Amino acid sequence: ILNVEQSPQSLHVQEGDSTNFTCSFPSSNFYALHWYRWETAKSPEALFVMTLNGDEKKKGRISATLNTKEGYSYLYIKGSQPEDSATYLCAIEAGGTSYGKLTFGQGTILTVHP
Amino acid sequence: EPEVTQTPSHQVTQMGQEVILRCVPISNHLYFYWYRQILGQKVEFLVSFYNNEISEKSEIFDDQFSVERPDGSNFTLKIRSTKLEDSAMYFCASRVLAGVGNEQFFGPGTRLTVL
Repeated sequence: ILNVEQSPQSLHVQEGDSTNFTCSFPSSNFYALHWYRWETAKSPEALFVMTLNGDEKKKGRISATLNTKEGYSYLYIKGSQPEDSATYLCAIEAGGTSYGKLTFGQGTILTVHP
Repeated sequence: EPEVTQTPSHQVTQMGQEVILRCVPISNHLYFYWYRQILGQKVEFLVSFYNNEISEKSEIFDDQFSVERPDGSNFTLKIRSTKLEDSAMYFCASRVLAGVGNEQFFGPGTRLTVL
């Protein structure tokens, strides 16, 4: 069974702070890692899909890195804003015969205080 | 911008009743999925669907569950006889193709409450 872990479970930061959180996964049979941003009552929004060891991706103030050899990814938010408050989910897509099945971590709940 | 839609947003049902959760995936997408999240737990995969058949299903997806794409636009999840433990948020997702770099786009979910 593929186990994906995220830490911390929750995080409170002040507006303007930079923050980061971690997604850990088994490095064997890795195919792709997906990061999502999920606000209550809305659709989870895809942030990044990462596949290659050493990948770095950026969207505005949010960036992510990937280390497939050691099985982790970091998500960074620079200069957090209240509108960044959400649950951040990572999910792994394993190789082999899976047709895009995603296995999720438990999420990191970010609260940014004005 | 195209999006995945789901109806209803919230459904309350009695134990033992049948429910049908509906999804309209993005129109040119070929792969369709159902996931669910029981309160306080991880989002978990239920089933994937491609070319009008199930391509993969989890252990959760037993004989009480079925999926259908009845008319080329809707994608439905049916639970034949609901149990209390089926109470969860159910998400539909779609993607253009499986394969490297392809995102799955999620709907906003249907919250199912079984009493």
